[in-house]
Amino acid sequence: GESVGLHLPTLSVQEGDNSIINCAYSNSASDYFIWYKQESGKGPQFIIDIRSNMDKRQGQRVTVLLNKTVKHLSLQIAATQPGDSAVYFCAENSNNDMRFGAGTRLTVKP
Amino acid sequence: DAGVIQSPRHEVTEMGQEVTLRCKPISGHDYLFWYRQTMMRGLELLIYFNNNVPIDDSGMPEDRFSAKMPNASFSTLKIQPSEPRDSAVYFCASSFDRLTLHFGNGTRLTVT
Repeated sequence: GESVGLHLPTLSVQEGDNSIINCAYSNSASDYFIWYKQESGKGPQFIIDIRSNMDKRQGQRVTVLLNKTVKHLSLQIAATQPGDSAVYFCAENSNNDMRFGAGTRLTVKP
Repeated sequence: DAGVIQSPRHEVTEMGQEVTLRCKPISGHDYLFWYRQTMMRGLELLIYFNNNVPIDDSGMPEDRFSAKMPNASFSTLKIQPSEPRDSAVYFCASSFDRLTLHFGNGTRLTVT
């Protein structure tokens, strides 16, 4: 079956650097994507979303890029801070079926 | 807005006992979801409700699991009898549009 997966299970960056978290998806019918952040002991929190008719969307310090040609999604965090340390999940929606990826753990070094 | 509220935060029980997890969704959200999270399987959808009606329970592992939503502000997930392999973090989430989920902080269940 089709699934959502992540290229890198862990990512370590220096405080102040930019972070890029990647996600591969295989369902070409997916039309909506969300990035969630999960801090230790908490539930996932919505960060940013993007629809399939867009290839880029920006929020506060975060940018999501969608490349439908290669079925790739990325989350860019500018000027990464210690508070950004968490597990990040991508999720894809197809026909109201929302599926989550395995997650990438981001660690920010001071 | 208090967000999605789950209780208890932690539950430790012995195999064979009944476990009931509780959830209060965000007011006005018509959708409610129950997820299970483990290291091995990640986030798995167990069941979701729309306007208090169960829509898709295909993710419920087996008959030992049941979920109810008696009204718009309350839902329960029950496991009877519980088994060690049920140990996980159980999340409740609510949504107004079915797509953007607002998660609670979960219940960590340990079955010994």
